[in-house]
Amino acid sequence: KAGVTQTPRYLIKTRGQQVTLSCSPISGHRSVSWYQQTPGQGLQFLFEYFSETQRNKGNFPGRFSGRQFSNSRSEMNVSTLELGDSALYLCASSLAMGQGRRGYGYTFGSGTRLTVV
Amino acid sequence: AQSVTQLDSQVPVFEEAPVELRCNYSSSVSVYLFWYVQYPNQGLQLLLKYLSGSTLVESINGFEAEFNKSQTSFHLRKPSVHISDTAEYFCAVTFLTGGGNKLTFGTGTQLKVEL
Repeated sequence: KAGVTQTPRYLIKTRGQQVTLSCSPISGHRSVSWYQQTPGQGLQFLFEYFSETQRNKGNFPGRFSGRQFSNSRSEMNVSTLELGDSALYLCASSLAMGQGRRGYGYTFGSGTRLTVV
Repeated sequence: AQSVTQLDSQVPVFEEAPVELRCNYSSSVSVYLFWYVQYPNQGLQLLLKYLSGSTLVESINGFEAEFNKSQTSFHLRKPSVHISDTAEYFCAVTFLTGGGNKLTFGTGTQLKVEL
């Protein structure tokens, strides 16, 4: 069974540009979440999608956005890149949402390392 | 306020010695608890989780963690570590507030196993 696939693995962008990162969840997983990992702030939640709807959003500016497609694949977009956006962006998928199924545990991808210069 | 604390940023230990990585959380609601491990240049791998039931949970590679509700802790232990256990370990919590599955992570503990 294939794991969570994130593309690209590495990305270098210039300040002011925008970037789109892609995530393909494990087959059958319908919940996808995104996290940002930096040395200074650690692991921070960006957003969570289920059935193409954003269910939860972290405390990030509006420059960070995402979406989920009908096949559960997800993309996140960062516009007007800043140096501080340099980070490892991790995508994670889970089987489902809902009170009875929470806590299944997310499976993480290897991440996309974004460097803004 | 809901938070997760990993007090030790680095834990050096000799091979075959026991180790404990500490995790405490603060919450007024029920929680699910997780430990993840991250090797260099990789994503996070789920090590073990507590959802309900027995408070002692074990992983396939010899780690165990015990949920202590009164002390709001979920410490990770291994009786005998191996060089290959060198990695960063993250404690994570899902606070059951009626929202989504979001994970709140601790700041991580770098475990360094030495010969």
